[in-house]
Amino acid sequence: SYELAQPPSVSVSPGQTATITCSGNNLGNKYASWYQQKPGQSPVLVIYQDTKRPSGIPERFSGSSSGNTVTLTIGGTQAMDEADYYCQAWDSSTVVFGGGTKLTVL
Amino acid sequence: QVQLQESGPGLVKPSETLSLTCSVFGGSITSDYWSWIRQPPGTGLEWIGYIYDSGSTIYNPSLKSRVAMSVDTSRNQFSLKLTSVTAADTAVYFCARTKGVGIGRWVDPWGQGILVTVSS
Repeated sequence: SYELAQPPSVSVSPGQTATITCSGNNLGNKYASWYQQKPGQSPVLVIYQDTKRPSGIPERFSGSSSGNTVTLTIGGTQAMDEADYYCQAWDSSTVVFGGGTKLTVL
Repeated sequence: QVQLQESGPGLVKPSETLSLTCSVFGGSITSDYWSWIRQPPGTGLEWIGYIYDSGSTIYNPSLKSRVAMSVDTSRNQFSLKLTSVTAADTAVYFCARTKGVGIGRWVDPWGQGILVTVSS
């Protein structure tokens, strides 16, 4: 089965740039999405189709793709951005999620 | 603005069948894919499967033998049944819309989730 690999945790200081990566076999030929999940809440879409940002998502959230790795970048990270982040791709007509990355803002 | 709401029992006995329903508000259930996703306590997201308004389904191969989904377009609802549950099926279950076409699909929005505990 298809797998997406994410680092378990990332730490960033307030105001700095956070980067979270997601890698998978042949991911460069697929599209990825990113979700933010805060404790006790349902996930929220923050990036779709690698780089697109849904309405209502702050501009500091951006996505990029290079080779078989996609990256979520949060510029000027704020305390409110502390959350779990999951990447997701579509493979063989199934939805696949990465294992998640806990972003700590300290 | 589409919103989704899960409903069903919060407690299911081992070996029995878990049954959940998702109600879709603010939009039609037609012409989209509708997913069930679960999250065991303290762990990540696991996609269970999705159903189209025609009733066609795709399930996670790891759960396929125990999962059945259905859709009721007249009620704007879709449902999940998971048979022969064990403690490993204890999780928050989310329903969600799957958007996009081809390889560029994403999940949005999500319901608030419902905790289902498997215990005698």
